[in-house]
Amino acid sequence: AQSVSQHNHHVILSEAASLELGCNYSYGGTVNLFWYVQYPGQHLQLLLKYFSGDPLVKGIKGFEAEFIKSKFSFNLRKPSVQWSDTAEYFCAAAAGNKLTFGGGTRVLVKP
Amino acid sequence: DTAVSQTPKYLVTQMGNDKSIKCEQNLGHDTMYWYKQDSKKFLKIMFSYNNKELIINETVPNRFSPKSPDKAHLNLHINSLELGDSAVYFCASSRRTSGTETQYFGPGTRLLVL
Repeated sequence: AQSVSQHNHHVILSEAASLELGCNYSYGGTVNLFWYVQYPGQHLQLLLKYFSGDPLVKGIKGFEAEFIKSKFSFNLRKPSVQWSDTAEYFCAAAAGNKLTFGGGTRVLVKP
Repeated sequence: DTAVSQTPKYLVTQMGNDKSIKCEQNLGHDTMYWYKQDSKKFLKIMFSYNNKELIINETVPNRFSPKSPDKAHLNLHINSLELGDSAVYFCASSRRTSGTETQYFGPGTRLLVL
């Protein structure tokens, strides 16, 4: 069965610090990968997605993610965070028409 | 011009009651979904419909019954509510049923069962 794991449950950092959130998936076939963000009190929004091609994907708000097939990973990065990046971040993988989410990582950026 | 809307936004009810949550999308998408987000923020798919047909039905108690009157609407009816049903329920839609399609989420319905 397909599964997605996010190793960090909570991350606290200061503004201007760099952020990297880990995501690993388990699925042997072709998989499409996504990062969604949920700001406090809001719905999930797509940050970026990877289907094929360049494994380094750039998304909105300065976020990027790198797909490393050999490690079954799709880590999210941002070089310099802002207070407004405080949110819950979800990695997700789609095999066929089913989207499976990781447990989420709560990020708190201190001003 | 809300893309995916849900009503109600908040729902507080007693155990044993029956309640419904409505979802509508104006994106012209063919596929709609219901997800449950528990208190630990874990998000899990419940159902998926494509053009009014059920295509994904995860291990969900049969007290939960989705209904899609047309492809723009997917409602969720819950019978005999239990304490464990307390969660945030998100509706989502995508252009079509494919793993490459982005899903667009509604604002969520916060259900509290007392």
